[in-house]
Amino acid sequence: EVQLLESGGGLVQPGGSLRLSCAASGFTFSDYAMSWVRQASGKGPEWVSIIYGGGSPYYADSVKGRFSISRDNFKNTFYLQMNSLRVEDTAVYYCAKAVGAAGTTWFDTWGQGTLVTVSS
Amino acid sequence: DIQMTQSPSTLSASVGDRVTITCRASPTISISMFLAWYQQKPGKAPKLLISKASILESGVPSRFSGSGSGTEFTLTISSLQPDDFATYYCQQYSSYPLTFGGGTKVEIK
Repeated sequence: EVQLLESGGGLVQPGGSLRLSCAASGFTFSDYAMSWVRQASGKGPEWVSIIYGGGSPYYADSVKGRFSISRDNFKNTFYLQMNSLRVEDTAVYYCAKAVGAAGTTWFDTWGQGTLVTVSS
Repeated sequence: DIQMTQSPSTLSASVGDRVTITCRASPTISISMFLAWYQQKPGKAPKLLISKASILESGVPSRFSGSGSGTEFTLTISSLQPDDFATYYCQQYSSYPLTFGGGTKVEIK
């Protein structure tokens, strides 16, 4: 069974940092791109970042230069380092397994989500 | 960026009703069928229902169907069941940034 388990969310002050982790199991992790998608309360999902099996990352403009995605194919885990956090980054962050060709991906499995709250 | 607009934002329906949700893309999705639909229940992650506009994910009931291309797509539930009351989102994956619609909440009438 494919499973994704996020961790690392919490309350942080504006300008602070957090590192989210997503542990994957049930599939050949290195074969798949992995992504972070966030959802503010009452809003639709917002794609944040994706990293391909070989490590190429892409970011939404709203987080470019502040967030960094990485992966460890030996640990079947990928990460989202979030720096210079803003109030508007407050959301539930989901990790998701991406399917499809490079640049044209959708998400067939999602984690349960971890809440990030940016507030003073 | 490709903006995805869903309508209606809320839909009230009864068990057994046929329900149609529309998702419009602006500008057009260049790879015209690259659209997915997800179902989300309160406090849960989205669940993939359909990819490539009309391909049903394994295990998804056949009462769900998708159609469309280019700028207009639809998700149809042929006979609404109690488990289908949820919020539905479309997502284009033709180009970065990947973008989602604002959602359609299907409520009990």
